Amino acid sequence: DTGVSQNPRHKITKRGQNVTFRCDPISEHNRLYWYRQTLGQGPEFLTYFQNEAQLEKSRLLSDRFSAERPKGSFSTLEIQRTEQGDSAMYLCASSGQGGAATDTQYFGPGTRLTVL
Amino acid sequence: GESVGLHLPTLSVQEGDNSIINCAYSNSASDYFIWYKQESGKGPQFIIDIRSNMDKRQGQRVTVLLNKTVKHLSLQIAATQPGDSAVYFCAETYSQSKLTFGKGITLSVRP
Repeated sequence: DTGVSQNPRHKITKRGQNVTFRCDPISEHNRLYWYRQTLGQGPEFLTYFQNEAQLEKSRLLSDRFSAERPKGSFSTLEIQRTEQGDSAMYLCASSGQGGAATDTQYFGPGTRLTVL
Repeated sequence: GESVGLHLPTLSVQEGDNSIINCAYSNSASDYFIWYKQESGKGPQFIIDIRSNMDKRQGQRVTVLLNKTVKHLSLQIAATQPGDSAVYFCAETYSQSKLTFGKGITLSVRP
């Protein structure tokens, strides 16, 4: 399977704990995006990387959230001191460098986070 | 299992009929638009895209129409099948950056 992969698929944690999610993009894609989706809503943008550089962060991304892409390949999203409001599906997407055929963002299966 | 389409408007069609799903987008500067299909427990799946310099684009059984004057996008699905049942989202973007998603619509196909 050469699509976007995310791990874990499901995470249940207690309020106040830290969690980390991983995303492996499509291998030749240099842009990687994180989104959050709650039930009944469309995905909302969190942040994105071009290679290892984090180019934009949403106001949704509070200080408790941090994302990295150290080698320009896989990315991690960490949430510190989780709150019940963090419960959501966290989606990762990747796209090519740009140009007519490479803007499309392809999504992974997501990580479902439940904070108790 | 969880329902992606919870609280979303629903379009119900008979199997074999054509479906039309509409979307209003917000940013007149957006230059690229995508339709995604999302099934419960899965990530959004790319269906078809269109650039702002086009009015219409056809794929296999799907057609996307873009009306920039009224900022309207539509997805037409020919001969709708039970496997088309899902939540559909339109998304817009400017200059290859973040996607902004519209309100999803649940498509329900009656056998």
